[in-house]
Amino acid sequence: EDKVVQSPLSLVVHEGDTVTLNCSYEVTNFRSLLWYKQEKKAPTFLFMLTSSGIEKKSGRLSSILDKKELFSILNITATQTGDSAIYLCAVSPHGSSNTGKLIFGQGTTLQVKP
Amino acid sequence: NAGVMQNPRHLVRRRGQEARLRCSPMKGHSHVYWYRQLPEEGLKFMVYLQKENIIDESGMPKERFSAEFPKEGPSILRIQQVVRGDSAAYFCASSPQGPGSNQPQHFGDGTRLSIL
Repeated sequence: EDKVVQSPLSLVVHEGDTVTLNCSYEVTNFRSLLWYKQEKKAPTFLFMLTSSGIEKKSGRLSSILDKKELFSILNITATQTGDSAIYLCAVSPHGSSNTGKLIFGQGTTLQVKP
Repeated sequence: NAGVMQNPRHLVRRRGQEARLRCSPMKGHSHVYWYRQLPEEGLKFMVYLQKENIIDESGMPKERFSAEFPKEGPSILRIQQVVRGDSAAYFCASSPQGPGSNQPQHFGDGTRLSIL
């Protein structure tokens, strides 16, 4: 069964700290891995990764994929209180039905204290 | 440029009633996905629709749940004879093209369904 596991499940840091969130997966016919940030409302898209070893960067956030070891990390440097959220990792499998459904991990709840 | 619009934001129903959740995708998006998020759990895929067609309903319970995406109007997720276990947040996502295009899905704010 396709599975996505995130760790840690929750994390408390202080402003200015750097955090690394982990996402490992077991998926038949991998297509892409996506990171989302969920505050009170809609998950908002952060990154889509399809190739190993290529870092994607947006401001203080960056992410990289390792297709050999089947995991991805999301790094946040110089954290701010506004980074407090649930970070969701999802994998899109490439199946014969080509449905495009996303398989989500449980999420990592990050709390950044002032 | 409006995002994915879901309504209502909150819906309260008594056991046995019907719940109708609506989703208008982003402009130019013709692919719609529904997900359910139970308390303390991740989002679980339910159904994927393209205009007037159900493409994949493998995540949707066989009974009481149905979905549609008509030619005109929003996508509707319908739950008949609701039970307490249906209480969850239901999220809709849309994308402009199908899965092979490798374009991300964009999510709405969700509908929080509470069953009394």
